[in-house]
This record gives sequence, C-alpha cells and structure tokens, in this order.
Amino acid sequence: AQTVTQSQPEMSVQEAETVTLSCTYDTSESDYYLFWYKQPPSRQMILVIRQEAYKQQNATENRFSVNFQKAAKSFSLKISDSQLGDAAMYFCAYRSYNTDKLIFGTGTRLQVFP
Amino acid sequence: DAEITQSPRHKITETGRQVTLACHQTWNHNNMFWYRQDLGHGLRLIHYSYGVQDTNKGEVSDGYSVSRSNTEDLPLTLESAASSQTSVYFCASSDRLAGTDTQYFGPGTRLTVL
Repeated sequence: AQTVTQSQPEMSVQEAETVTLSCTYDTSESDYYLFWYKQPPSRQMILVIRQEAYKQQNATENRFSVNFQKAAKSFSLKISDSQLGDAAMYFCAYRSYNTDKLIFGTGTRLQVFP
Repeated sequence: DAEITQSPRHKITETGRQVTLACHQTWNHNNMFWYRQDLGHGLRLIHYSYGVQDTNKGEVSDGYSVSRSNTEDLPLTLESAASSQTSVYFCASSDRLAGTDTQYFGPGTRLTVL
C-alpha cells in the first residue's frame, strides 16, 4: 500500500522569504500523480500544484514550485516570496495512475511572520 | 458556477444517535469521496463511489455507510454515533475519465459527538 509522510508538523517563514515543505512517499508503482493542497483557517481545501510522475520537469504555479525526485520518492514544495496569506496547513497527496483515490500525508502547518 | 456543498456545516449530536451528513455536487462528476480529518492523521478516506449505485469502503469505513442514488449526492450516515467519530468531514468529487482528475472539496462539516 502507498503511504505519504510529511515529517515537519510545523514550519515558519518570514514574509518575502522562501520556505520548503517536505514530503516523501512510498510506492511500488511507476505511474502516479502527486499533489499539494492548502487548507487555510476557513478549512477549504485548495489545490496548489500537481505533478505527473512520468514528467521529468518540475511543476510550477506562480510562487509555488516543486522539487520532484522520483528515485528518492521525494516531493517537496517551495514557496517563494512568502505572503501572509500563505499561512495554512499544507497537505501532500498521492494518487495512483488508474484510480481517483487520494492518500494524504499528515500535513504541515505553515506560519508566516511579518 | 459548479460547486460542491455540504450540510450541515456544524453538527452536535449524542452518542448512539444516527446522523446523516449531506454532500451535493453540481460538477456532474462520477466520482465522489468522503474523508475525515483528524489532528495528526491528515485526511483519511471513509467511503467512495465511482457512479450511481456504486459504493466502496475506504481506509476507515467502520461505523459509516453511504448510498448513491443519483450523480449529484452522496450522503454519509453514521449509524450509531460514537465519540471517536468527532471530526471534520470533507466530501470531494472528481472525474478522471472525463479529464478532470483533480478532486474538488466541499467546505467541510464539523461533527461533535457528546
């Protein structure tokens, strides 16, 4: 069975700085998808970024980018130029290629200080 | 705009009572999911459905049931509520085969079992 591990329960960053959130996963599959979701205090789950395992290129969405290391089974999220609105819980999630079920990590709470 | 809604947003009930949480989506997605979110566990899959009349157990299905009589709705029933079922519940939908492999989440229902 696949598992997702987020080893940083909490992280903090100063406004305008860069922070990296870690995620590792375990799978025997070769094709899959990885996601980062943001959950602000409103509780709404918001998709931040997704990565297809068969793509070598790291996904980027504005200030958010990932470092996808398939061999190491690592999928970290980098937030550049951090803003106060980035403060939230961040969840890493895994999805097998031929299913729609998501497997989530335990989350990392990010605090952003002015 | 298409959306996914949950009701109620907050519910307090007593041990042993039957509780039903509603989930309604207007995306016309075939796939619907129920997760529970607990501190230290992230989101865990309770039940899911890949279409009308289809239901499947997830990772933490004991004490819960679902039924899918139409595309739009997937109600979650707690047959006899227990204090261990105090949690935040999220409904989500997706439709990978229709080209929408991202899961869209509802706003969540906070359930307290006294």
